[in-house]
Amino acid sequence: ETGVTQTPRHLVMGMTNKKSLKCEQHLGHNAMYWYKQSAKKPLELMFVYNFKEQTENNSVPSRFSPECPNSSHLFLHLHTLQPEDSALYLCASSQDMESGDEQYFGPGTRLTVT
Amino acid sequence: EDQVTQSPEALRLQEGESSSLNCSYTVSGLRGLFWYRQDPGKGPEFLFTLYSAGEEKEKERLKATLTKKESFLHITAPKPEDSATYLCAVRGYGQNFVFGPGTRLSVLP
Repeated sequence: ETGVTQTPRHLVMGMTNKKSLKCEQHLGHNAMYWYKQSAKKPLELMFVYNFKEQTENNSVPSRFSPECPNSSHLFLHLHTLQPEDSALYLCASSQDMESGDEQYFGPGTRLTVT
Repeated sequence: EDQVTQSPEALRLQEGESSSLNCSYTVSGLRGLFWYRQDPGKGPEFLFTLYSAGEEKEKERLKATLTKKESFLHITAPKPEDSATYLCAVRGYGQNFVFGPGTRLSVLP
C-alpha cells in the first residue's frame, strides 16, 4: 500500500448506530487530519494530530470522536449522527505542523446517515 | 484570519482553449500555497506547492504562478481529462491549511 488509505469507502448508518472510519498513511508523516466535505462547500477541517497529540478540534460536535494511536493511523468514531452529517470524510497527512509542506489526501469515506 | 477565494466558480472550455484560474488569499505570513485537483467522489490530488512571490511550477499542461496576493493556475491547450475541480489552499505561520471553495472546470471535446 502506498500513500493514504481509508476504509470503508462507503458507509450507510442509522442515527442510533456506532461506526468507525479508519485512515492509514504510508508516507512517514507526523501530522494527520480529518476533513468534512459537503456538497458545494469548502473543505472543513475537523481535527488535527501532530506527533499523535491533538492540536486542533474545530468546534466539532461530540458525536465525532477522533483517535490517533500512532503517527500512521487515525480513526474517527461516530455515534448518534444526524442526517446533516452525511458527507465525504477525508483523511490527510503532512510531514508535520511546523514545515510548509503539502498535505496528501486519502480517497475518502462517503457517509450516508439515514 | 486567513482567507482564500477562487474565481471563477465554474469554467467551461473547448478542448485546446487555454485559460487561467485565480486564487486570491490573505494570510499572516505565507508558509505555502497549494494547488489540488479533485475528481468527483475522490480525495484531492496534490499538484503544486509555491513558497514565495515570483515562483512558478509546471506539470504537463498546468502552470502555477504566485504573487503576494494571488496565484494563477494556467491551463494550456486543455483536454477533456483535465475536467475536475481545482482547489487552492494556503498555510500561514502557526496556522492550519485553509482551503478555497474551488473552481469546477469542464473541458468539452
